[in-house]
Amino acid sequence: AQSVTQLGSHVSVSEGALVLLRCNYSSSVPPYLFWYVQYPNQGLQLLLKYTSAATLVKGINGFEAEFKKSETSFHLTKPSAHMSDAAEYFCAVRFSGTYKYIFGTGTRLKVLA
Amino acid sequence: GAVVSQHPSRVICKSGTSVKIECRSLDFQATTMFWYRQFPKQSLMLMATSNEGSKATYEQGVEKDKFLINHASLTLSTLTVTSAHPEDSSFYICSARGYIDKNTEAFFGQGTRLTVV
Repeated sequence: AQSVTQLGSHVSVSEGALVLLRCNYSSSVPPYLFWYVQYPNQGLQLLLKYTSAATLVKGINGFEAEFKKSETSFHLTKPSAHMSDAAEYFCAVRFSGTYKYIFGTGTRLKVLA
Repeated sequence: GAVVSQHPSRVICKSGTSVKIECRSLDFQATTMFWYRQFPKQSLMLMATSNEGSKATYEQGVEKDKFLINHASLTLSTLTVTSAHPEDSSFYICSARGYIDKNTEAFFGQGTRLTVV
């Protein structure tokens, strides 16, 4: 069955430190991969997406993610955390031919001053 | 990017009443709309998919008679929670997709926080 796993429901980093949020997917066919950010009581904002072009994808707000087929991973990184990055982050997949998104359980990022 | 607007952002209703949530695509025609439900501290679960002018397709385990979805126009879909109960309290999010270009993904609304008392 297709699924998305996000390791770590909560991640805390110091302001200025590296952010690493992990995402692995389970599928026999490489899907399209996404990272979304959700601020409290708000909807989802697309950070970046992978669609089989470059394996390193750059998104908004300084985030980027690398697709590694051998590891079935799509981890999200940012070199230097900012206080405004504190939010919930969701990894998601969808498969060609459908616009149903399968979401991971989310990772809440906390940035410490 | 394209804008999807949900209304209301928050609603409190009494147990046994019905509540309607609207999802509008403001600057594009949404041929397909999706409704998700998010329980506290959990991920989004797809409830149903609706194509304009067609009946919605519900995911397994979602009661179609309780969660009525209407997608009567290319810019509006509604979700009506009928005979709401406290366990229906949740965050409901819609997303919409229309043909903008071949690389267009679905856009998400800002969500509606439903509290049933």
